[in-house]
Amino acid sequence: GQNIDQPTEMTATEGAIVQINCTYQTSGFNGLFWYQQHAGEAPTFLSYNVLDGLEEKGRFSSFLSRSKGYSYLLLKELQMKDSASYLCAVRDSHYQLIWGAGTKLIIKP
Amino acid sequence: TAGITQAPTSQILAAGRSMTLRCTQDMRHNAMYWYRQDLGLGLRLIHYSNTAGTTGKGEVPDGYSVSRANTDDFPLTLASAVPSQTSVYFCASSEQGTGELFFGEGSRLTVL
Repeated sequence: GQNIDQPTEMTATEGAIVQINCTYQTSGFNGLFWYQQHAGEAPTFLSYNVLDGLEEKGRFSSFLSRSKGYSYLLLKELQMKDSASYLCAVRDSHYQLIWGAGTKLIIKP
Repeated sequence: TAGITQAPTSQILAAGRSMTLRCTQDMRHNAMYWYRQDLGLGLRLIHYSNTAGTTGKGEVPDGYSVSRANTDDFPLTLASAVPSQTSVYFCASSEQGTGELFFGEGSRLTVL
């Protein structure tokens, strides 16, 4: 079966750095996506990785290792507004997105 | 730009009744999707449409139907609602071939 695993919840301090991990087992791989979802709102696109390595976009970076079936989202200089759920999704061989359950990130002052 | 508009925002429905969730996009995206989101689970695809006039079944299609008469509209119908269909429903769209989805604000449905 297809499976995306990510921690249910993480807590971090304002101004710090946090890494959210995602491991996947899917039938085929055509890219990995990270989305941010604030409570009660719609998910919004953060990043896309299809090749191994690190993609940096401002305070957010995303890393992919296809051989290990592993990705992480790195958030630097955390702000209170970063409190949200972070969803990992993999596009499979049929070009459909398989979603993880999301990681709820709690930022404390 | 409105993006994707869903209606209603929330609804309480008696079991056995029918309901249509509306979804309209103004981005001229070819692909559209309906997902449900339940606590502790990832987004699950109900139905999708790669282009106007075509639809396909996702992971959890039973009890739901869709139509795609034109590019902009993609309604989701529950013919006879059951309590297990209580969920938050998200409509989304994307450019064909990309994985970047644009989501509507969601419709919270409670079936009693």
